[in-house]
Amino acid sequence: SQQGEEDPQALSIQEGENATMNCSYKTSINNLQWYRQNSGRGLVHLILIRSNEREKHSGRLRVTLDTSKKSSSLLITASRAADTASYFCATDYRGGNKLTFGTGTQLKVEL
Amino acid sequence: NAGVMQNPRHLVRRRGQEARLRCSPMKGHSHVYWYRQLPEEGLKFMVYLQKENIIDESGMPKERFSAEFPKEGPSILRIQQVVRGDSAAYFCASSPGGKNTGELFFGEGSRLTVL
Repeated sequence: SQQGEEDPQALSIQEGENATMNCSYKTSINNLQWYRQNSGRGLVHLILIRSNEREKHSGRLRVTLDTSKKSSSLLITASRAADTASYFCATDYRGGNKLTFGTGTQLKVEL
Repeated sequence: NAGVMQNPRHLVRRRGQEARLRCSPMKGHSHVYWYRQLPEEGLKFMVYLQKENIIDESGMPKERFSAEFPKEGPSILRIQQVVRGDSAAYFCASSPGGKNTGELFFGEGSRLTVL
C-alpha cells in the first residue's frame, strides 16, 4: 500500500500547548500536503511541501519533510480549541496523478 | 467564486436501489477526483476524471460503480444496486490540473446511508 500513516491516531492537549503529528509514506513523492477536516465537513488544504524542501511555515503551522526517512511532521503552535479536528497527510507520488491520503490524527484541544 | 459543490449532502437508499452523487468543480477547474471515506477512516481514492475522460479509475470497485464528467454539467458518481457496505461519505475534489498534483479543493461531501 502506498498510503501514508499518521501517528498518533489521537492526540488530546490543553489550549496553548503545541501539537505535533507525524506522517510516514512509502515511495518517492513530488510533494506532501496536510489537510484538516472538521467533523462532518470536507477537507481543507493547510500546507504543501515539495520534495526538495525541508521545512515550511504558515502562520502557526510548521511542516518538516525528511525524504531519507520518508516522513513528515506537522506542528501546530499555541493551539486553540478551534484547532480541534482531524488532520491528514497526503502524498503525490512520482509518476502518479492523484493524492493518496493517510489515516489521520484526531486532535482535541481542550480549554 | 463558489467552491466545489456536491449534492445531495445526504442520501438514503434501500438495498438494491441506485445512488447518484453530483459534483460541480470550482470555476476554472477541469480535474475532478472522487474519494470515499468510511467512519473514522481516511479518504480512499476512487477515480480521477478530466472533462469527458476517465484518467485513473484504479480505486473504483469493478462492479456497480461508474463515474463520468461530461463536457457540460457536473461530474456524477453512480452506484447501482447499493449494498449496506456502500454507506460512506463520498467527497469530490477539483483542481486546475498540471503536471503534479497540487492543492485539491474539496466539497462538503455526500453522505450515503443504505438501509
